[in-house]
Amino acid sequence: DTAVSQTPKYLVTQMGNDKSIKCEQNLGHDTMYWYKQDSKKFLKIMFSYNNKELIINETVPNRFSPKSPDKAHLNLHINSLELGDSAVYFCASSQARDHRGYTFGSGTRLTVV
Amino acid sequence: KQEVTQIPAALSVPEGENLVLNCSFTDSAIYNLQWFRQDPGKGLTSLLLIQSSQREQTSGRLNASLDKSSGRSTLYIAASQPGDSATYLCAVIIPHAGNMLTFGGGTRLMVKP
Repeated sequence: DTAVSQTPKYLVTQMGNDKSIKCEQNLGHDTMYWYKQDSKKFLKIMFSYNNKELIINETVPNRFSPKSPDKAHLNLHINSLELGDSAVYFCASSQARDHRGYTFGSGTRLTVV
Repeated sequence: KQEVTQIPAALSVPEGENLVLNCSFTDSAIYNLQWFRQDPGKGLTSLLLIQSSQREQTSGRLNASLDKSSGRSTLYIAASQPGDSATYLCAVIIPHAGNMLTFGGGTRLMVKP
């Protein structure tokens, strides 16, 4: 199946821990993204990577560090987790140079306790 | 800065009604506009993508229109069904923004049997 897949689907962890979320796309897209959906269901861009290069970093604390080993993968590592980091994190991909539509992953629900 | 607004925030209709969801954006210089559906606890499913040069797109019972000059898009759902109950999100891509999507706050639709 062609898709954007992210793991894990659910993540419950204690404050202060470090955790990672993985994302992979097999659509051949050149750009990958991380979006955050807060408790009010509003979606906002966090990072954008084009061919492994960081394009956008939208006012995200430096505890969040994306890593793109190749253009099919974009992982998100979060250090020193805080209660306010609880949200749903979505990975997505698109073929940016064509300005075509996005494909989203199914999301990772992060709960910090 | 691009802002996207969706009205109404919530909508409840009886089964069989035709309905219109509205989306407006402040910067008309967009590459495209995409409508998504999100079911509770799930990811985003792309419904329709309208390129900036197009005025409408249709898929089954869904029809999306785009008026760039007035900064508006509408999503028309014909003969609504209970299975259409979900949150509908519109998002735009603008130039010089790294191909990121700017989302509206969504319209939460409930179709009652």
